[in-house]
Amino acid sequence: DQQVKQNSPSLSVQEGRISILNCDYTNSMFDYFLWYKKYPAEGPTFLISISSIKDKNEDGRFTVFLNKSAKHLSLHIVPSQPGDSAVYFCAASGNFGNEKLTFGTGTRLTIIP
Amino acid sequence: DAGITQSPRHKVTETGTPVTLRCHQTENHRYMYWYRQDPGHGLRLIHYSYGVKDTDKGEVSDGYSVSRSKTEDFLLTLESATSSQTSVYFCATGVRTEAFFGQGTRLTVV
Repeated sequence: DQQVKQNSPSLSVQEGRISILNCDYTNSMFDYFLWYKKYPAEGPTFLISISSIKDKNEDGRFTVFLNKSAKHLSLHIVPSQPGDSAVYFCAASGNFGNEKLTFGTGTRLTIIP
Repeated sequence: DAGITQSPRHKVTETGTPVTLRCHQTENHRYMYWYRQDPGHGLRLIHYSYGVKDTDKGEVSDGYSVSRSKTEDFLLTLESATSSQTSVYFCATGVRTEAFFGQGTRLTVV
Protein backbone atom coordinates (compact mmCIF):
# COMPACT_ATOMS: atom_id res chain seq x y z
CA ASP A 1 0.00 0.00 0.00
CA GLN A 2 1.87 3.01 -1.33
CA GLN A 3 0.63 5.95 0.71
CA VAL A 4 2.92 8.43 -1.04
CA LYS A 5 3.19 8.18 -4.80
CA GLN A 6 5.43 9.79 -7.36
CA ASN A 7 4.01 8.61 -10.65
CA SER A 8 6.75 9.97 -12.87
CA PRO A 9 9.95 7.92 -12.51
CA SER A 10 11.86 10.39 -14.63
CA LEU A 11 11.65 13.90 -16.03
CA SER A 12 13.87 15.82 -18.46
CA VAL A 13 13.82 19.61 -18.58
CA GLN A 14 15.81 22.17 -20.53
CA GLU A 15 18.16 24.34 -18.53
CA GLY A 16 16.50 27.62 -17.59
CA ARG A 17 12.98 26.23 -17.82
CA ILE A 18 10.67 25.26 -15.00
CA SER A 19 10.82 21.76 -13.51
CA ILE A 20 7.62 20.49 -11.92
CA LEU A 21 7.75 17.34 -9.82
CA ASN A 22 4.51 15.85 -8.55
CA CYS A 23 3.54 13.80 -5.54
CA ASP A 24 0.22 12.33 -4.44
CA TYR A 25 -0.74 10.89 -1.08
CA THR A 26 -3.63 8.82 0.17
CA ASN A 27 -3.57 9.25 3.95
CA SER A 28 -5.61 12.31 4.90
CA MET A 29 -3.92 12.33 8.32
CA PHE A 30 -0.59 13.42 6.87
CA ASP A 31 0.02 16.99 7.93
CA TYR A 32 3.63 17.68 6.99
CA PHE A 33 5.38 17.18 3.70
CA LEU A 34 9.04 17.32 2.73
CA TRP A 35 11.11 17.13 -0.43
CA TYR A 36 14.54 15.55 -0.47
CA LYS A 37 17.17 15.61 -3.17
CA LYS A 38 19.58 12.76 -3.72
CA TYR A 39 22.76 12.62 -5.77
CA PRO A 40 24.37 9.26 -6.66
CA ALA A 41 26.42 7.70 -3.87
CA GLU A 42 25.20 10.27 -1.36
CA GLY A 43 22.45 10.33 1.23
CA PRO A 44 19.24 12.29 0.64
CA THR A 45 19.43 15.93 1.67
CA PHE A 46 16.52 18.06 2.79
CA LEU A 47 15.30 20.58 0.25
CA ILE A 48 12.04 22.19 1.34
CA SER A 49 8.95 21.39 3.38
CA ILE A 50 5.40 22.52 3.93
CA SER A 51 2.89 22.20 6.71
CA SER A 52 -0.71 21.36 5.93
CA ILE A 53 -1.81 24.73 7.29
CA LYS A 54 -0.16 26.33 4.26
CA ASP A 55 -0.67 25.90 0.55
CA LYS A 56 2.65 27.29 -0.61
CA ASN A 57 6.20 27.58 0.64
CA GLU A 58 9.02 29.22 -1.24
CA ASP A 59 12.77 29.09 -0.81
CA GLY A 60 14.80 30.72 -3.55
CA ARG A 61 14.32 28.80 -6.79
CA PHE A 62 12.23 26.13 -5.06
CA THR A 63 8.52 26.36 -4.34
CA VAL A 64 6.28 23.65 -2.96
CA PHE A 65 2.54 23.79 -3.49
CA LEU A 66 0.05 21.78 -1.47
CA ASN A 67 -3.50 20.99 -2.56
CA LYS A 68 -5.07 19.21 0.38
CA SER A 69 -8.40 18.56 -1.22
CA ALA A 70 -6.67 16.73 -4.07
CA LYS A 71 -4.06 15.20 -1.75
CA HIS A 72 -1.41 16.48 -4.12
CA LEU A 73 1.79 18.42 -3.79
CA SER A 74 4.26 19.65 -6.32
CA LEU A 75 7.78 21.01 -6.32
CA HIS A 76 8.62 23.78 -8.77
CA ILE A 77 12.20 24.62 -9.63
CA VAL A 78 12.71 27.88 -11.52
CA PRO A 79 14.98 28.31 -13.34
CA SER A 80 16.31 24.78 -13.62
CA GLN A 81 20.08 24.38 -13.49
CA PRO A 82 22.35 21.45 -14.39
CA GLY A 83 23.16 20.94 -10.70
CA ASP A 84 19.49 20.20 -10.10
CA SER A 85 19.89 16.87 -11.88
CA ALA A 86 19.21 14.34 -9.12
CA VAL A 87 16.55 12.02 -7.73
CA TYR A 88 13.83 13.84 -5.80
CA PHE A 89 11.81 12.14 -3.09
CA CYS A 90 8.71 13.50 -1.50
CA ALA A 91 7.88 12.42 2.03
CA ALA A 92 4.95 12.81 4.38
CA SER A 93 4.33 12.51 8.07
CA GLY A 94 1.46 12.84 10.51
CA ASN A 95 0.84 13.35 14.17
CA PHE A 96 0.59 9.63 14.85
CA GLY A 97 2.61 9.51 18.03
CA ASN A 98 5.77 8.56 16.21
CA GLU A 99 8.16 10.51 14.03
CA LYS A 100 8.09 8.33 10.93
CA LEU A 101 8.39 9.66 7.43
CA THR A 102 6.76 7.87 4.53
CA PHE A 103 8.58 8.32 1.24
CA GLY A 104 7.53 8.18 -2.36
CA THR A 105 9.39 6.18 -4.99
CA GLY A 106 11.33 9.14 -6.34
CA THR A 107 11.60 11.04 -9.62
CA ARG A 108 14.88 11.30 -11.49
CA LEU A 109 15.23 14.82 -12.83
CA THR A 110 17.65 15.45 -15.67
CA ILE A 111 18.42 19.02 -16.68
CA ILE A 112 19.48 19.27 -20.31
CA PRO A 113 22.07 22.00 -20.98
CA ASP B 1 25.36 18.27 8.18
CA ALA B 2 23.88 16.38 11.13
CA GLY B 3 27.00 14.35 11.89
CA ILE B 4 25.77 10.92 10.83
CA THR B 5 28.35 8.30 10.02
CA GLN B 6 27.55 4.92 8.54
CA SER B 7 29.95 2.02 8.49
CA PRO B 8 30.93 0.20 6.46
CA ARG B 9 30.21 2.20 3.30
CA HIS B 10 30.41 -0.89 1.11
CA LYS B 11 30.14 -4.56 1.90
CA VAL B 12 29.91 -7.79 -0.04
CA THR B 13 28.78 -10.81 1.91
CA GLU B 14 27.67 -14.35 1.24
CA THR B 15 24.14 -15.67 1.55
CA GLY B 16 23.45 -17.01 5.00
CA THR B 17 26.03 -14.95 6.86
CA PRO B 18 25.17 -12.41 9.54
CA VAL B 19 25.86 -8.76 8.78
CA THR B 20 25.79 -5.72 11.03
CA LEU B 21 25.64 -2.15 9.80
CA ARG B 22 26.44 0.70 12.14
CA CYS B 23 25.09 4.22 12.37
CA HIS B 24 26.70 6.79 14.61
CA GLN B 25 25.35 10.29 15.25
CA THR B 26 26.84 13.23 17.08
CA GLU B 27 23.66 15.33 17.32
CA ASN B 28 22.09 13.67 20.36
CA HIS B 29 18.87 13.11 18.40
CA ARG B 30 16.36 10.92 20.13
CA TYR B 31 14.97 9.33 16.97
CA MET B 32 17.02 7.19 14.59
CA TYR B 33 15.91 5.24 11.53
CA TRP B 34 17.10 2.61 9.09
CA TYR B 35 15.84 2.74 5.50
CA ARG B 36 16.62 0.75 2.41
CA GLN B 37 16.55 2.19 -1.09
CA ASP B 38 15.63 0.00 -4.03
CA PRO B 39 14.71 0.89 -7.61
CA GLY B 40 10.97 1.37 -7.97
CA HIS B 41 10.43 1.40 -4.22
CA GLY B 42 12.03 4.60 -3.03
CA LEU B 43 13.04 4.69 0.60
CA ARG B 44 11.37 2.14 2.83
CA LEU B 45 11.58 2.15 6.60
CA ILE B 46 13.05 -1.01 8.14
CA HIS B 47 13.18 -0.17 11.85
CA TYR B 48 13.35 2.92 13.94
CA SER B 49 14.27 3.87 17.49
CA TYR B 50 12.71 6.48 19.74
CA GLY B 51 15.25 6.17 22.53
CA VAL B 52 17.88 3.94 24.07
CA LYS B 53 16.60 0.36 23.95
CA ASP B 54 13.31 1.58 22.45
CA THR B 55 12.77 0.33 18.92
CA ASP B 56 9.89 -0.49 16.62
CA LYS B 57 9.31 -2.09 13.24
CA GLY B 58 8.92 -0.28 9.98
CA GLU B 59 7.26 -1.51 6.80
CA VAL B 60 9.98 -3.96 5.71
CA SER B 61 11.35 -5.35 8.98
CA ASP B 62 11.35 -9.09 8.18
CA GLY B 63 14.87 -10.50 8.30
CA TYR B 64 16.27 -7.50 10.16
CA SER B 65 16.87 -6.67 13.80
CA VAL B 66 18.16 -3.53 15.46
CA SER B 67 19.72 -2.47 18.71
CA ARG B 68 20.34 0.84 20.39
CA SER B 69 22.39 0.65 23.56
CA LYS B 70 23.57 4.28 23.39
CA THR B 71 21.92 7.43 22.09
CA GLU B 72 24.56 7.87 19.43
CA ASP B 73 24.62 4.35 17.97
CA PHE B 74 21.97 2.41 16.08
CA LEU B 75 22.88 -1.02 14.72
CA LEU B 76 21.09 -2.91 11.96
CA THR B 77 21.65 -6.68 11.81
CA LEU B 78 20.79 -9.06 9.03
CA GLU B 79 20.69 -12.35 10.90
CA SER B 80 21.15 -14.48 7.79
CA ALA B 81 21.67 -12.41 4.68
CA THR B 82 19.68 -13.20 1.55
CA SER B 83 20.04 -11.92 -2.00
CA SER B 84 16.82 -9.93 -1.59
CA GLN B 85 18.61 -7.85 1.01
CA THR B 86 21.06 -6.53 -1.55
CA SER B 87 20.34 -2.83 -1.35
CA VAL B 88 21.56 0.56 -0.28
CA TYR B 89 20.91 1.19 3.38
CA PHE B 90 20.49 4.66 4.87
CA CYS B 91 20.49 5.69 8.46
CA ALA B 92 18.65 8.85 9.47
CA THR B 93 18.11 10.89 12.60
CA GLY B 94 15.76 13.68 13.58
CA VAL B 95 12.02 14.12 13.72
CA ARG B 96 9.18 14.01 11.24
CA THR B 97 9.60 17.66 10.32
CA GLU B 98 13.37 17.53 9.95
CA ALA B 99 15.26 14.32 9.27
CA PHE B 100 18.92 13.99 8.26
CA PHE B 101 20.49 11.11 6.40
CA GLY B 102 23.84 9.40 6.42
CA GLN B 103 25.75 8.70 3.22
CA GLY B 104 24.54 5.14 2.89
CA THR B 105 25.93 1.61 2.92
CA ARG B 106 25.88 -0.40 -0.27
CA LEU B 107 25.38 -4.06 0.66
CA THR B 108 25.68 -6.85 -1.86
CA VAL B 109 24.68 -10.38 -0.89
CA VAL B 110 26.12 -13.01 -3.25
